[in-house]
Amino acid sequence: RKEVEQDPGPFNVPEGATVAFNCTYSNSASQSFFWYRQDCRKEPKLLMSVYSSGNEDGRFTAQLNRASQYISLLIRDSKLSDSATYLCVVNRNQGGKLIFGQGTELSVKP
Amino acid sequence: DAGVIQSPRHEVTEMGQEVTLRCKPISGHNSLFWYRQTMMRGLELLIYFNNNVPIDDSGMPEDRFSAKMPNASFSTLKIQPSEPRDSAVYFCASSLVSNSYQPQHFGDGTRLSIL
Repeated sequence: RKEVEQDPGPFNVPEGATVAFNCTYSNSASQSFFWYRQDCRKEPKLLMSVYSSGNEDGRFTAQLNRASQYISLLIRDSKLSDSATYLCVVNRNQGGKLIFGQGTELSVKP
Repeated sequence: DAGVIQSPRHEVTEMGQEVTLRCKPISGHNSLFWYRQTMMRGLELLIYFNNNVPIDDSGMPEDRFSAKMPNASFSTLKIQPSEPRDSAVYFCASSLVSNSYQPQHFGDGTRLSIL
């Protein structure tokens, strides 16, 4: 079993749709959590950190449930430019070692 | 501001050849990470450095891979001898400090093809 598992993709949605991605992690000692975005043939870029209380950045909302070891990302009013692969990322200790999920591909269609 | 700079952007070489990938982290960042990305295995951490010292190299696939960080502004990842299964995109990333909460900033990557 992978340490970080994500919804299999691809997700194909129309513009304006709301889409949710889920992620589970296996190590209960994990300390910090992120969503990264990766465009085709580009480098991963930080989308947002995920805090226990949940956090929002514009159309994006991230949630963390430590008891269930579950992370989610909600995208509202999706845009064509949201098309990318979304990577769930976990840091399981105080070092800098990030564990990346396999990613979920999102394709937003006109 | 300059981001993480990697070179070369693309490398095509024949198996058995030595390959050297280079990385310049963001100025002031003291942690540097080397990753490899393939379709089959996704993004994997190979090795990371704090203050130029290797901290965790458990992801380095085998002895053919080596990494150095001679100073705070430069790192290399070397493969010798290279094999076709080493073909992948290699990313370098840096962060301000190596703790749980600092995001990592990635370079554009080196697309490596071993024939």
